[in-house]
Amino acid sequence: NAGVTQTPKFRILKIGQSMTLQCTQDMNHNYMYWYRQDPGMGLKLIYYSVGAGITDKGEVPNGYNVSRSTTEDFPLRLELAAPSQTSVYFCASSKGQDQPQHFGDGTRLSIL
Amino acid sequence: AQSVSQHNHHVILSEAASLELGCNYSYGGTVNLFWYVQYPGQHLQLLLKYFSGDPLVKGIKGFEAEFIKSKFSFNLRKPSVQWSDTAEYFCAVNARAAGNKLTFGGGTRVLVKP
Repeated sequence: NAGVTQTPKFRILKIGQSMTLQCTQDMNHNYMYWYRQDPGMGLKLIYYSVGAGITDKGEVPNGYNVSRSTTEDFPLRLELAAPSQTSVYFCASSKGQDQPQHFGDGTRLSIL
Repeated sequence: AQSVSQHNHHVILSEAASLELGCNYSYGGTVNLFWYVQYPGQHLQLLLKYFSGDPLVKGIKGFEAEFIKSKFSFNLRKPSVQWSDTAEYFCAVNARAAGNKLTFGGGTRVLVKP
């Protein structure tokens, strides 16, 4: 069972560069989420989606964009990378909004 | 602001010691409560959850948690820890009052000395 798959695992960006973090799940979950994890801060919700074609902002959406063209995929885009976006990013999915979430292995992103 | 608080940022114990991690939340109304664990270099995994019913819930690997509604708490316990329990533990709350979005506590790093 693949579950939630994130790519890449590590990336270093220069300030101002753009990139897309990929996330795909094979559990046919409607709900998908993007979080960032910073030391001592827990996980903060960036964006989430309740189904294909529907996305909404979370707690810290500034500087990020998402799309959900299929049930399986939920990419996160950074348009103009800033040092404040250095973090570990986790994608997750769930069957329902109040159901346990399944997490990917994370993407460690450094912006220099 | 409504939130989820974990009282201890770091806990260090010896093997066979008992562990209790505190978690308090500030949401009223209906809540679903979770504890997730993140082993070094791995992704978050569900340890246990509470939706309704018996307020004492048992999870994997000998962990349990008690929901005390009057105290807005959901503390995690394990009677005897092992070295392999070294990890970061996150409490999370899904509250209708917060639009059913999952809110995480800041995490507690637990180090079990062999």
